[in-house]
Amino acid sequence: AQTVTQSQPEMSVQEAETVTLSCTYDTSESDYYLFWYKQPPSRQMILVIRQEAYKQQNATENRFSVNFQKAAKSFSLKISDSQLGDAAMYFCAYRSVYYASNTGNQFYFGTGTSLTVIP
Amino acid sequence: DSGVTQTPKHLITATGQRVTLRCSPRSGDLSVYWYQQSLDQGLQFLIQYYNGEERAKGNILERFSAQQFPDLHSELNLSSLELGDSALYFCASSVLVAGAYNEQFFGPGTRLTVL
Repeated sequence: AQTVTQSQPEMSVQEAETVTLSCTYDTSESDYYLFWYKQPPSRQMILVIRQEAYKQQNATENRFSVNFQKAAKSFSLKISDSQLGDAAMYFCAYRSVYYASNTGNQFYFGTGTSLTVIP
Repeated sequence: DSGVTQTPKHLITATGQRVTLRCSPRSGDLSVYWYQQSLDQGLQFLIQYYNGEERAKGNILERFSAQQFPDLHSELNLSSLELGDSALYFCASSVLVAGAYNEQFFGPGTRLTVL
């Protein structure tokens, strides 16, 4: 099964500064999807950004961008101009393009990085 | 609002009891996933359904069961509850069409407290 690793349990950033959250994954597949989800104190899971492995261009959504390094199996999230509302737990997730009879269409989530934004 | 609804929002019960959590997916989404998130923990995948059929099982206890009905809503049944079952239970839905991201959209969760 695929594994997703977030090696930074906690991170902090000054308001208006930039922070990068790390994510690595292990897979033998050539095509797949990667996601970052945000979970604020309300505990709602919110999709932040997504990337298809087949696309070399890094995804960007406003202040959020990714650095996708396919060969290194790395998918980091960069948050620019950090705001107080960015304080949350961030989860990296992997989904295979393919359906497998034993694993279905599972998403594999990392253990999360708790981001604190310092005013 | 993700379009995924879950009821109830909160549930308090006693050990040994049985509860049912309900999830309605986004309109058009055929697949439903259930997750368990204990306090300050990550997401534990429990089970996936697609158009009424079980697609994948994760770390789901034998005391837990789920089903997806013809109208695509899903229920997660938890029985013989233990203190350790206290957690936030999420439902997520996805459309699952070929060639698409098929991201999961999460409901607000049901917070279960077992006393």
